Amino acid sequence: GAGVSQTPSNKVTEKGKYVELRCDPISGHTALYWYRQSLGQGPEFLIYFQGTGAADDSGLPNDRFFAVRPEGSVSTLKIQRTERGDSAVYLCASSLFGEGQNEQFFGPGTRLTVL
Amino acid sequence: QKEVEQDPGPLSVPEGAIVSLNCTYSNSAFQYFMWYRQYSRKGPELLMYTYSSGNKEDGRFTAQVDKSSKYISLFIRDSQPSDSATYLCAMSDMNRDDKIIFGKGTRLHILP
Repeated sequence: GAGVSQTPSNKVTEKGKYVELRCDPISGHTALYWYRQSLGQGPEFLIYFQGTGAADDSGLPNDRFFAVRPEGSVSTLKIQRTERGDSAVYLCASSLFGEGQNEQFFGPGTRLTVL
Repeated sequence: QKEVEQDPGPLSVPEGAIVSLNCTYSNSAFQYFMWYRQYSRKGPELLMYTYSSGNKEDGRFTAQVDKSSKYISLFIRDSQPSDSATYLCAMSDMNRDDKIIFGKGTRLHILP
């Protein structure tokens, strides 16, 4: 079956621009997570959705970052006024329930480069 | 001090050797301990997870957790060139909605 997919795979933008990154989770998975992975680092948690609602957004670095999941499936991570420090791989993961320890399945990521 | 510490390597070993990868952590609330493997330009994939202390074996892989020392290990027996990847330790506290805290990852090279 299909895994987690993310589009685009690569995104190059200029400082100050707005970007949207899309995540398609595994069908039927209610929990969805966004992580950010900088070069040479492990993924860092950004936000967690249970269904349509953001259950935990404590990892979002500032108010330029926002994520939505309006129908409880596809999610979009939105970054306003991008900065060079936002350059990283943005990973999405989904899991069946999100309660208790359920395996999180990761997508391949979107590599964002801010020039 | 970061919550999870992991030596980034790189670690190079000959094919067939036993590989030992380790992490330390500071948060005693962590209960689930995981090892992910990440190939270049790919997302992490779960290799093993362990609840609380103890050992778990799966084929050539063995995960160990020592909560008293806040130390976890992954052993790879009969290492193969296809094992070359970055290995990320990760842990979570159920009470924090499954937010996973990752180590930096150790880059492993298995030399043919």
